[in-house]
Amino acid sequence: EADIYQTPRYLVIGTGKKITLECSQTMGHDKMYWYQQDPGMELHLIHYSYGVNSTEKGDLSSESTVSRIRTEHFPLTLESARPSHTSQYLCASSEYETGREQYFGPGTRLTVT
Amino acid sequence: AQSVAQPEDQVNVAEGNPLTVKCTYSVSGNPYLFWYVQYPNRGLQFLLKYITGDNLVKGSYGFEAEFNKSQTSFHLKKPSALVSDSALYFCAVRANTGGFKTIFGAGTRLFVKA
Repeated sequence: EADIYQTPRYLVIGTGKKITLECSQTMGHDKMYWYQQDPGMELHLIHYSYGVNSTEKGDLSSESTVSRIRTEHFPLTLESARPSHTSQYLCASSEYETGREQYFGPGTRLTVT
Repeated sequence: AQSVAQPEDQVNVAEGNPLTVKCTYSVSGNPYLFWYVQYPNRGLQFLLKYITGDNLVKGSYGFEAEFNKSQTSFHLKKPSALVSDSALYFCAVRANTGGFKTIFGAGTRLFVKA
């Protein structure tokens, strides 16, 4: 079944640790996105990608980095986690054509202690 | 610059009554407009979109939205609310010329009381 997956769903980690949030989609979508969302609040775009080897920063300044080596995979990495990184991270994908809706993963709830 | 406004943080409605969740937008050129719903501890789920054509758009779970170009609005509606409709609703806009980003509103929390 075509879908978008995120792991882990929940993560509690100490300050200074390196973490990678995984996102994979089986829909063959070219475009992928990472959003940061505090619970019940608005979404902020932090990274996006048009396709393989294409990545751009979004509106919200983020200390994270992303890579897009394969179409289906768009991991987000924090080199040194801080309490200010505590949030929910949502991954999404869409077809390339303008006007296509985005499909969202279930999210990763990150807590940095 | 693109922007989306959802003027109500929260909407309360009784089950069986009609509901409206408001959205206004600002965009250069013609807009692509979207509604998404988010249930607790879940990602966003696409409900419906307006690209072109008929101003009344029908979507999932009995929801519909009306595009009003003169008022730059795209309000979400449902004739008869269900308790299970209680969730967080996001309006989003993207210009159909140039650019890339879809801009999301701040969200409106809908409470449907039995």
